[in-house]
Amino acid sequence: AQSVTQPDIHITVSEGASLELRCNYSYGATPYLFWYVQSPGQGLQLLLKYFSGDTLVQGIKGFEAEFKRSQSSFNLRKPSVHWSDAAEYFCAAIKAAGNKLTFGGGTRVLVKP
Amino acid sequence: GAVVSQHPSWVICKSGTSVKIECRSLDFQATTMFWYRQFPKQSLMLMATSNEGSKATYEQGVEKDKFLINHASLTLSTLTVTSAHPEDSSFYICSAILAASDTQYFGPGTRLTVL
Repeated sequence: AQSVTQPDIHITVSEGASLELRCNYSYGATPYLFWYVQSPGQGLQLLLKYFSGDTLVQGIKGFEAEFKRSQSSFNLRKPSVHWSDAAEYFCAAIKAAGNKLTFGGGTRVLVKP
Repeated sequence: GAVVSQHPSWVICKSGTSVKIECRSLDFQATTMFWYRQFPKQSLMLMATSNEGSKATYEQGVEKDKFLINHASLTLSTLTVTSAHPEDSSFYICSAILAASDTQYFGPGTRLTVL
């Protein structure tokens, strides 16, 4: 079955430190991959997406993600976090255009001053 | 671009009443909209897929007679929670996609509390 896994439920990071959120997928073929961020009580905002091509994808708010086919991973990174980056982050995938999104369980990021 | 709105942002109702939630794509035409439900500290659960001009497709375990979905135009889909009960209290989020697009754009969500 198709699935998206985010191994880390919570991550605490100090402000100014780097952040990496893990995402693994299980699909028959490489899916389209997304990272979304959700602030408390809000909807989801698209950070970045990968369809094909360059495996290092740049997104908004200083985030980037790297697609690694050999590891079935699509990890999200930010070199230096800001207190405003505290939120829930969701990795998601679709098999093809117009298909249903499959979400990972989410990773809650806490930022220490 | 690609903004999706929801109305209301929060609603409190009495048990047994019906509540309608609207989802609008503000600056694009959405052939497909999706409705999700999210419980506290959990991921999103897809409830149904709504295609303009046709009946919604519900996920397994979602009662179609309880959660009525209408997608009457390319910019509006509605979710009506009929005969709401406290267990229906949740955060409901919609999303929309451009025709033949790969990316879903999400609304800000509607928090429903049933007393």
